[in-house]
Amino acid sequence: NAGVTQTPKFRILKIGQSMTLQCTQDMNHNYMYWYRQDPGMGLKLIYYSVGAGITDKGEVPNGYNVSRSTTEDFPLRLELAAPSQTSVYFCASSLSQEQYFGPGTRLTVT
Amino acid sequence: AQSVSQHNHHVILSEAASLELGCNYSYGGTVNLFWYVQYPGQHLQLLLKYFSGDPLVKGIKGFEAEFIKSKFSFNLRKPSVQWSDTAEYFCAVNAQGGGFKTIFGAGTRLFVKA
Repeated sequence: NAGVTQTPKFRILKIGQSMTLQCTQDMNHNYMYWYRQDPGMGLKLIYYSVGAGITDKGEVPNGYNVSRSTTEDFPLRLELAAPSQTSVYFCASSLSQEQYFGPGTRLTVT
Repeated sequence: AQSVSQHNHHVILSEAASLELGCNYSYGGTVNLFWYVQYPGQHLQLLLKYFSGDPLVKGIKGFEAEFIKSKFSFNLRKPSVQWSDTAEYFCAVNAQGGGFKTIFGAGTRLFVKA
């Protein structure tokens, strides 16, 4: 199993551009999550999904959108990138309580 | 609202020193508790977890944690650290019966000097 994979690993965006961060898991987990990690702030939940077709907001959803059309994929969309969205983004999945994380995407918005 | 506090943001130890990282949470109900670790350049991975039963839980690589309900604490310990324990450590909590939304602490960066 590849586990949780994320693409791209790194990205630089200009203010106002849009992009999609991809996340795929091959463990048949129902639950999937998007976090952002900022220095000294830990991980903040952006959005999560309890299954295909079902998503909900986390702590910091503003400026982001998600979709979950399949069990495997959970893309995160940034519509109008802002400098405040400079961060490292982690996708995770779980069957129950233990979460499995992807390698992260480092995004810089300038 | 739930929250998780990790008392030390940065810890520097010499090899063979003992480690204790503090974690306190605020939530009045029954919780599940976790410690995750992120080694340099790697994914976050689970170090250990507590759901119920013996409040002293053992994880990988010689780590253990003790759940003290009266203190709302779940401190991480290791008797003798190694250079390879250099990493960032995150305490995390979710509420039993409250779905799978997990709250993470801010993290503690541990640097072990060889």
